[in-house]
Amino acid sequence: ETGVTQTPRHLVMGMTNKKSLKCEQHLGHNAMYWYKQSAKKPLELMFVYSLEERVENNSVPSRFSPECPNSSHLFLHLHTLQPEDSALYLCASSQDRDSWAGELFFGEGSRLTVL
Amino acid sequence: SQQGEEDPQALSIQEGENATMNCSYKTSINNLQWYRQNSGRGLVHLILIRSNEREKHSGRLRVTLDTSKKSSSLLITASRAADTASYFCATDTLSGNTPLVFGKGTRLSVIA
Repeated sequence: ETGVTQTPRHLVMGMTNKKSLKCEQHLGHNAMYWYKQSAKKPLELMFVYSLEERVENNSVPSRFSPECPNSSHLFLHLHTLQPEDSALYLCASSQDRDSWAGELFFGEGSRLTVL
Repeated sequence: SQQGEEDPQALSIQEGENATMNCSYKTSINNLQWYRQNSGRGLVHLILIRSNEREKHSGRLRVTLDTSKKSSSLLITASRAADTASYFCATDTLSGNTPLVFGKGTRLSVIA
């Protein structure tokens, strides 16, 4: 148990569906992240939020839409995805956005399959 | 890019042997971190070494950092089957204003 909880753990969706991934951290951290992990590729940073404000967006397609209603919760809304979006989506948190060099705490991930 | 590169991509050893994984990076850093990931799970932080440190220990883990060669190594001594996982290095930047960048990882298999 790392203090970062992701739901659902597994998700299968069609290309026309709309679904959401949820992340909740119980660590009192101020920064939260979405990473994408595809087979044989490095971990890709998608979005970063610090104190509920988006501070980094690595040119992610608009079919991925993040939402951070408060410092403990982070969502990734998915719509009209492509099969190549199938991956493990990892949420992470860190103490403070200014401490980029600090330790990241990861959730267990949401395995997404797009049919 | 700043990306770290782990070497080898895959490593298979017998239980009780030592496992060494290497990481190379391209630009100056403040610190380097190692993470572990069991198959299909999240990453877990193992150890952080700062740019002014040369070696750091944590239990059976030993990490070295050579900033002149822009490389780091992770040594796991007396390996166990439970050490089977992927290991990633992650680097920041000297300016400190970018998130961590991860490599592709080394897949370690420890055979009982």
